[in-house]
Amino acid sequence: EAGVAQSPRYKIIEKRQSVAFWCNPISGHATLYWYQQILGQGPKLLIQFQNNGVVDDSQLPKDRFSAERLKGVDSTLKIQPAKLEDSAVYLCASDLAGGDTQYFGPGTRLTVL
Amino acid sequence: AQSVTQLDSQVPVFEEAPVELRCNYSSSVSVYLFWYVQYPNQGLQLLLKYLSGSTLVKGINGFEAEFNKSQTSFHLRKPSVHISDTAEYFCAVSDLSNYQLIWGAGTKLIIKP
Repeated sequence: EAGVAQSPRYKIIEKRQSVAFWCNPISGHATLYWYQQILGQGPKLLIQFQNNGVVDDSQLPKDRFSAERLKGVDSTLKIQPAKLEDSAVYLCASDLAGGDTQYFGPGTRLTVL
Repeated sequence: AQSVTQLDSQVPVFEEAPVELRCNYSSSVSVYLFWYVQYPNQGLQLLLKYLSGSTLVKGINGFEAEFNKSQTSFHLRKPSVHISDTAEYFCAVSDLSNYQLIWGAGTKLIIKP
């Protein structure tokens, strides 16, 4: 069974530029999560999707971050414009609806200069 | 709100020695409990989980954890560590109302040769 796929693995941009990350969850997983993991900290949930609907985006900085999951499968997270403090690893995870275990992708390491 | 405390940010231990990584959580209601491992430049991998039943849970790579409801703890143990166990370990608690994970800050396991 293929795991959660993310791309790119690494991205370096300058502040005020925009960037997008892509995630393809495990086949059949209805729930998809985006997390931000700053160095030295645990992951912080940004947004949770159930199929193509948003369950929770209360911690998403909506002035600069956006995410979509149009067909209920893969998802894109965008930052526009990026700030220095956005430097982090962005993790995507998925699980079955009502499932008890989240499965994580390898993450995208973003460096904002 | 729930919180998870990992009491040690780093734990140095000699190879082949036993190790315990400590985790305490705040909730007094039923929870699911998890330990994930993050190897350098990789995503999070599930080590083990407690959902219900036996309080001693065995996971991959020889790790085990014990759920202690009265002390609200879920400490991770391994009787003999190997250099390949060098990684960061995260404890997480699942909010059963929405299955969102609340994360600890992580503990870096440093294996000394």
